[in-house]
Amino acid sequence: AQSVTQLDSHVSVSEGTPVLLRCNYSSSYSPSLFWYVQHPNKGLQLLLKYTSAATLVKGINGFEAEFKKSETSFHLTKPSAHMSDAAEYFCVVTGHRDSSYKLIFGSGTRLLVRP
Amino acid sequence: DAGITQSPRHKVTETGTPVTLRCHQTENHRYMYWYRQDPGHGLRLIHYSYGVKDTDKGEVSDGYSVSRSKTEDFLLTLESATSSQTSVYFCAISESSRENYGYTFGSGTRLTVV
Repeated sequence: AQSVTQLDSHVSVSEGTPVLLRCNYSSSYSPSLFWYVQHPNKGLQLLLKYTSAATLVKGINGFEAEFKKSETSFHLTKPSAHMSDAAEYFCVVTGHRDSSYKLIFGSGTRLLVRP
Repeated sequence: DAGITQSPRHKVTETGTPVTLRCHQTENHRYMYWYRQDPGHGLRLIHYSYGVKDTDKGEVSDGYSVSRSKTEDFLLTLESATSSQTSVYFCAISESSRENYGYTFGSGTRLTVV
């Protein structure tokens, strides 16, 4: 079965410093992977997605993620945090081949950005 | 969120009462989904639809039913609400079953069962 683990429930960084949000996945075949962001009391917005093309994926707002099959990881990074990045981030994997339209969410990582 | 609206945005209801949440889309997408969001669990799939009158269960479907009589509307019903169904409910749509198509989420419905 597909699954995803977000290794940190909370991450705190200072404004202007790098961001690293960690995600490991489990999949019996090559999955599609996504990062979504949710700002307080808002819906979910797609940050970026990996669909078996380039392993380094660039998303919106300066975020990027690298798919590493050997490590089964899809960590989200940003070189310099901004106050507006404070939100909850979800790593997501698609279901198995016959249910690839289903999204399987990690438990989320809340990013705090200190001034 | 453009093209998808959920109603109501907030609802408080009593235990044992029926509740219906509505998801409406203007994108003519085939696939529609209902998720619930709870702290520490991310989002979990309740039910989904792959066409008019075509629905199936997700991982947390007990206590919920759905209906889709038109492409644009997907209704989620709690037949007899319980406190464990207090949650934030999100509807999502997608154009295709292929994973490289994006999903669009609604703004959510916050349901409190007292």
